[in-house]
Amino acid sequence: GAVVSQHPSRVICKSGTSVKIECRSLDFQATTMFWYRQFPKQSLMLMATSNEGSKATYEQGVEKDKFLINHASLTLSTLTVTSAHPEDSSFYICSGGLGNYGYTFGSGTRLTVV
Amino acid sequence: AQSVTQLDSHVSVSEGTPVLLRCNYSSSYSPSLFWYVQHPNKGLQLLLKYTSAATLVKGINGFEAEFKKSETSFHLTKPSAHMSDAAEYFCVVIISYNTDKLIFGTGTRLQVFP
Repeated sequence: GAVVSQHPSRVICKSGTSVKIECRSLDFQATTMFWYRQFPKQSLMLMATSNEGSKATYEQGVEKDKFLINHASLTLSTLTVTSAHPEDSSFYICSGGLGNYGYTFGSGTRLTVV
Repeated sequence: AQSVTQLDSHVSVSEGTPVLLRCNYSSSYSPSLFWYVQHPNKGLQLLLKYTSAATLVKGINGFEAEFKKSETSFHLTKPSAHMSDAAEYFCVVIISYNTDKLIFGTGTRLQVFP
C-alpha cells in the first residue's frame, strides 16, 4: 500500500534556529500533501495544503512565514519551522492524499524547542 | 458544512469485551468517512473507510463500522478487545471533493484493562 516516510521522528533544537521536516511518498505520486499539527492529547489541526509545483495554501491563523512549505516534486514535501520558539514545540504529521480511498500519514515528528 | 463529533473522549473496557466508539457526522451531501488509530508518538493508521458502497465496513484488526444515514452515525465496533487496541481513535470526514481536506474528530482514547 501507499507509504509516506517522514523524517526526522524526533528533533530538539535551540530557540531561534530553523528545523526542516521531510515527507516522501514512497510508492505513489503525491500531488497534494497535508501538514498537521497535534498538541498533546488533542486532535490534529490542519496547518496547510501543499501542492506540487505551486504555493501552499495555509489555514487561517497559521503563519506562512514561520511555517515554510515546499513541494518541489511529486514525492517530496518539506515543512520548515523558521526561527523556532518553545511554543512551536509540537507533534507535526504529514499525509499524502489518496482522496476517497483514504489518506496515508507519516509517522510524525516530535519537535522540541529549548 | 461538514463536521464530525466523537461523543466520548475516553472509553475503558476489559480485555475480551466488546468495544464501541461513537461518531456522528454532519454533511450537506453523502460523505466519505474514515476511522484512524494512533498509538503514542506515532502517525495515524487507517482502520477502515466508507465511501458510499456497503454500509457495513470491515477494517483491519477485527474492527468494523456501520454507516447509518438516518442516525448520521458511523460508530466503530470490535467484538473482543485486545490489549494492543489501546490507542487514540479518530473519526474523520472529507470536507470537500474539490479540496480533499479532512476534518478530524476530537479523538477517543481507548483503554483496555486485563
